[in-house]
Amino acid sequence: SQQGEEDPQALSIQEGENATMNCSYKTSINNLQWYRQNSGRGLVHLILIRSNEREKHSGRLRVTLDTSKKSSSLLITASRAADTASYFCATDRSYNTDKLIFGTGTRLQVFP
Amino acid sequence: GAVVSQHPSRVICKSGTSVKIECRSLDFQATTMFWYRQFPKQSLMLMATSNEGSKATYEQGVEKDKFLINHASLTLSTLTVTSAHPEDSSFYICSAGTGRALVGYNEQFFGPGTRLTVL
Repeated sequence: SQQGEEDPQALSIQEGENATMNCSYKTSINNLQWYRQNSGRGLVHLILIRSNEREKHSGRLRVTLDTSKKSSSLLITASRAADTASYFCATDRSYNTDKLIFGTGTRLQVFP
Repeated sequence: GAVVSQHPSRVICKSGTSVKIECRSLDFQATTMFWYRQFPKQSLMLMATSNEGSKATYEQGVEKDKFLINHASLTLSTLTVTSAHPEDSSFYICSAGTGRALVGYNEQFFGPGTRLTVL
């Protein structure tokens, strides 16, 4: 399977704590994106990082990318109960295809 | 962001019947639409890619005669699950792509999903 792996599979934290999720992928990429999915709902795009970037910020989100290790991390700072959701990374392998390959996902539970 | 709708949001049917799911891009023209399947607590698995006016491209292991995709216009794609069986029960999600030329990457907007339950 070409699907990426994410860890941890599940993460439970208290409000105010930081949450870190990791994503590893198997092939070279153009971009890596992070998505959020609330239970039983569609996906919401959070942030994109290009293959020539190493770090990107958006509000309380911080994404890093290490292409030599084929890995990325998503950090959510000062988490809130509303951040409870599943988070997926998705890779875009080349300009010759529109396909996204999704990671296995991390289920985040933030307790009030 | 752009809005993608799916209809129905939830469907329950008897084994052997066919079910059609619609995916619409409401405020933009989608050059490409994608259909995904998601089992509980699992990731999205791409089933097929469809381009307006041409045949869909199916991923390995996806039966094209089982999952019929029609992309009749730049704003509408349909997925028909033919002769549905309980193992077809799943969450089906579509996405619509705007075309990378606009933003330099594969920008996709996702529909809210359709929960299919086959009895």
